[in-house]
Amino acid sequence: ILNVEQSPQSLHVQEGDSTNFTCSFPSSNFYALHWYRWETAKSPEALFVMTLNGDEKKKGRISATLNTKEGYSYLYIKGSQPEDSATYLCAFENTDKLIFGTGTRLQVFP
Amino acid sequence: EAQVTQNPRYLITVTGKKLTVTCSQNMNHEYMSWYRQDPGLGLRQIYYSMNVEVTDKGDVPEGYKVSRKEKRNFPLILESPSPNQTSLYFCASSSATSGGAGYNEQFFGPGTRLTVL
Repeated sequence: ILNVEQSPQSLHVQEGDSTNFTCSFPSSNFYALHWYRWETAKSPEALFVMTLNGDEKKKGRISATLNTKEGYSYLYIKGSQPEDSATYLCAFENTDKLIFGTGTRLQVFP
Repeated sequence: EAQVTQNPRYLITVTGKKLTVTCSQNMNHEYMSWYRQDPGLGLRQIYYSMNVEVTDKGDVPEGYKVSRKEKRNFPLILESPSPNQTSLYFCASSSATSGGAGYNEQFFGPGTRLTVL
């Protein structure tokens, strides 16, 4: 069974704080690592798809790094805002499937 | 507007009564997939389809059927629903046609909340 682990499960930060979370995945048969942002009562939306070891991607205040050899990815949010409150999902791509982690639930307080 | 639509959005039904949840995308995507979301378990793949008439089992296919007769539609069929199929269901599509090249991002539908009594 392939496991994708995300930590922490939940996180509460103050507006303006920077934060990061981890996604751990199997290091064998790697094709891609996805990050999705999932707001309550909405559907998940893609943030990044990363394929190469050492990849770094950035979208505004959000960035992600990838280490395929050791099987982890970090998602960083700089200067968190209340609108960043959401569950952040990572998904490990293996052959034809995406295997999702259970997510990190972020709440940003004003 | 590029989108994935699902219907119905909410459904309460009884054990054994066949139902279909429709999924349609207007982005000409080859790849479509169904997931279920249960508390503490993450999104789990039920079935996926690489293209018309090509479908394959995901991680939790038991109790479900799918078909892909047209590129845009990928209905999920529960022939005899049971209470353990109470869940939040998402359909998703992607322009990727195969693994190994790196999937493009998945576009998710709005979700269908199903309750089986």
